[in-house]
Amino acid sequence: GQSLEQPSEVTAVEGAIVQINCTYQTSGFYGLSWYQQHDGGAPTFLSYNALDGLEETGRFSSFLSRSDSYGYLLLQELQMKDSASYFCAVRDKSGGSNYKLTFGKGTLLTVNP
Amino acid sequence: DAGVTQSPTHLIKTRGQQVTLRCSPKSGHDTVSWYQQALGQGPQFIFQYYEEEERQRGNFPDRFSGHQFPNYSSELNVNALLLGDSALYLCASSRQGKSEQYFGPGTRLTVT
Repeated sequence: GQSLEQPSEVTAVEGAIVQINCTYQTSGFYGLSWYQQHDGGAPTFLSYNALDGLEETGRFSSFLSRSDSYGYLLLQELQMKDSASYFCAVRDKSGGSNYKLTFGKGTLLTVNP
Repeated sequence: DAGVTQSPTHLIKTRGQQVTLRCSPKSGHDTVSWYQQALGQGPQFIFQYYEEEERQRGNFPDRFSGHQFPNYSSELNVNALLLGDSALYLCASSRQGKSEQYFGPGTRLTVT
């Protein structure tokens, strides 16, 4: 089966940089996604890595190392609005003909003034 | 362009009853996935529909079933409700083969 590990909580201050790590175990790995979810809201897509290396989208970057089954999300110039839960999710095809996402339990990021 | 919509937003049911949740995907999307999210947990994959067929299924009992219509909208049915079925049910749509999924606002189901 699949399993993902990420820290349950992270706290930082405005303007700082924070890194949220994710390790995974899965068969049929195709890529690693990151989603943000504000309290009471829907998850929103942040990034996707299929190949090793760093992907940058504005203040957010995501990294993947397939050989280490490891990835991280890097948030720079933190703002109060970044306070939310962040989920890593593995994309795989195990058990079916289409891709599916398996989510981690999420990391609650609190940004303080 | 409307995003993913779900109905109803909230629902209260009694143990043993049946419930149907509905989802309309984002325009241009043909694949619908359903997730269950318990409080403080990540979304758990229930199943995925494409071309009106179930293509992937997570570790959920047969009490959970679904359907996809020709217009790509989808329903999630849960029979014989248990207290443990209380959760936020999320629908996500995507284009076949694409990595990005767009989530709806969810349906909050409470089973008493």
